[in-house]
Amino acid sequence: GDQVKQSPSALSLQEGTNSALRCNFSIATTTVQWFLQNPRGSLMNLFYLVPGTKENGRLKSTFNSKESYSTLHIRDAQLEDSGTYFCAAEVGGSNAKLTFGKGTKLSVKS
Amino acid sequence: EAAVTQSPRNKVAVTGGKVTLSCNQTNNHNNMYWYRQDTGHGLRLIHYSYGAGSTEKGDIPDGYKASRPSQENFSLILELATPSQTSVYFCASGDGGNYAEQFFGPGTRLTVL
Repeated sequence: GDQVKQSPSALSLQEGTNSALRCNFSIATTTVQWFLQNPRGSLMNLFYLVPGTKENGRLKSTFNSKESYSTLHIRDAQLEDSGTYFCAAEVGGSNAKLTFGKGTKLSVKS
Repeated sequence: EAAVTQSPRNKVAVTGGKVTLSCNQTNNHNNMYWYRQDTGHGLRLIHYSYGAGSTEKGDIPDGYKASRPSQENFSLILELATPSQTSVYFCASGDGGNYAEQFFGPGTRLTVL
């Protein structure tokens, strides 16, 4: 099965609303990265997390290594938040590889 | 600004031909990575490198070779391209060690006819 499971696979939000995306890990994970792939295909770094929480503007992310999950909260969604959100788990310690989830496709509508 | 660049950005190749995808990074990172992205699979790791002269197999290395001639450059080589290798390919760099954040290039769209 998938080692990094993202949910939901797709989501439609009204502008100005809030939501949360989730990643569950079935592999030992030391750090987590969240990316946004915009409609042109570019991958933008959102967060790099050790266990704990980070916040950047309207985005907040938490990584709970003991319970093997990470969440990305989007507050006051805007049209430019549309795209596909990927989480990726670092496995294996130093010089480790990233294992990606399959993504959550977010559409924000006015 | 530090960056990861890829060339070409688009490529059409014929079955059985040789394809080389190039990646350059100005981050001065030790590690570099090649991924492919296909619908329904997310991004999957093909090859990676810890530094000049090193290449390692990722999760799906079959049909691909890699070359890291310098700190800045990392190439992905398809010796005998097949239609199943039609995909979008991403290169990334990362410092490695205890700080493993990766930064991605813009991608190369490869079509093998």
